[in-house]
Amino acid sequence: KQEVTQIPAALSVPEGENLVLNCSFTDSAIYNLQWFRQDPGKGLTSLLLIQSSQREQTSGRLNASLDKSSGRSTLYIAASQPGDSATYLCAASMNYGGATNKLIFGTGTLLAVQP
Amino acid sequence: DGGITQSPKYLFRKEGQNVTLSCEQNLNHDAMYWYRQDPGQGLRLIYYSQIVNDFQKGDIAEGYSVSREKKESFPLTVTSAQKNPTAFYLCASSFGGGGSGEQFFGPGTRLTVL
Repeated sequence: KQEVTQIPAALSVPEGENLVLNCSFTDSAIYNLQWFRQDPGKGLTSLLLIQSSQREQTSGRLNASLDKSSGRSTLYIAASQPGDSATYLCAASMNYGGATNKLIFGTGTLLAVQP
Repeated sequence: DGGITQSPKYLFRKEGQNVTLSCEQNLNHDAMYWYRQDPGQGLRLIYYSQIVNDFQKGDIAEGYSVSREKKESFPLTVTSAQKNPTAFYLCASSFGGGGSGEQFFGPGTRLTVL
C-alpha cells in the first residue's frame, strides 16, 4: 500500500531564507508526483508536476526534484517571502486499477515565513 | 476564464438530511474526482469518473453518491447514511483518468452537520 509522508509537519523561517520541504513515498511505481499549495480554507493550487521519467521541474523560485529509487521528492523554495506562507502538499500518482490513476496525498507541511 | 467551480462555499446539514455539492468545470477535462479533507489527514478519494455516464467508487464511497450526466458536471450527494460528513470537500479534474495527467482542483465546499 502506497504511503506518502511529509517532513516536517510545520516549519517557520525568516523572510529571505531558502528552504526545503521533503516528501517520501513507499512504492516507487508512480506515474508522477505533484506539489500543491493550499491556503487556509481554500482549494489546492498545483505548483509543479514531475513525471516519473523526469528528475526535476522548476517554476520561478520553486524547484522540485524526484528520486524514484529512493522514494523521495523535495520542494526547494528560494528567497522565501511572507506570501509563501501556506500548507504544501505532495501527492504521488499511482495506478488504481484499469486505466485509472489516483493521487495519494501526504498530510502536508505548514510553512510560515516571518517578515 | 477556465477553471473548476464548486458551490456552495459553505453548507450546513441537519441530521438525516441529504445534501448535494456542485462541481462544474470548463476545462474540457474527461476525468473528474471528489476528495474529502479532514484535519491532520491527507485527502481521500470518494468517487471518480473517467467519462460521461460512468463513475467508480474510491476509497471512502460509503454514504455518498454521484452522477455524471454531462462532461462539465459531477455533483456529489452526501446522504444520511454518511455518519461523519463534517469535512472539507474538494473536486478535481484532469484530461484523462490514466497516464500522467495533472489534476486541477476547485475552491472546495465546507460541510458542517448541525
